[in-house]
Amino acid sequence: DSGVTQTPKHLITATGQRVTLRCSPRSGDLSVYWYQQSLDQGLQFLIQYYNGEERAKGNILERFSAQQFPDLHSELNLSSLELGDSALYFCASSVGPGMSSPLHFGNGTRLTVT
Amino acid sequence: GEDVEQSLFLSVREGDSSVINCTYTDSSSTYLYWYKQEPGAGLQLLTYIFSNMDMKQDQRLTVLLNKKDKHLSLRIADTQTGDSAIYFCAESGNTGKLIFGQGTTLQVKP
Repeated sequence: DSGVTQTPKHLITATGQRVTLRCSPRSGDLSVYWYQQSLDQGLQFLIQYYNGEERAKGNILERFSAQQFPDLHSELNLSSLELGDSALYFCASSVGPGMSSPLHFGNGTRLTVT
Repeated sequence: GEDVEQSLFLSVREGDSSVINCTYTDSSSTYLYWYKQEPGAGLQLLTYIFSNMDMKQDQRLTVLLNKKDKHLSLRIADTQTGDSAIYFCAESGNTGKLIFGQGTTLQVKP
């Protein structure tokens, strides 16, 4: 168990809808990262937050947004969903803002858009 | 740009050693990582090596780093059927994010 908790485990929704994925980092970790894993794109970095502030941005679509709350949990919001958004979404956490400590991943949320 | 390459598939017999290879492009990488993903599960951190090290051993796992050639390998000694999974190599570039390879599927035959 990595200590990173993601909910829900599975999500099935229709095109055009909006969903929210939630992540609780390991105790003591201040950074939260979001990754998307799909068959054709592999593991893609979406966004990172450190202590409530956006730290780094990757291949995140404008339809997607995220935030990190004062209690350090994070939410990834996906809107106007398309079939191609079906993927496994991972959250990871680490102690610091940079790459000086390893990332620990949650078990992911599997999103299916029908 | 940053890129990480791995072979897609490796098949070994139970009890043999497995060697999974990875090449990366970002010479400024501070850490290099190996993650394991079993079917339907998340990414489990296996081990990592700091860029100023050549080798790191952790029980059955040995990581070798050739910084000159930007080549990283993971050796699993006495491979077991429970080691069957997808193994991801990742580098920490200077952009504050982990860049992953495509993953190597390890198949262990009894």
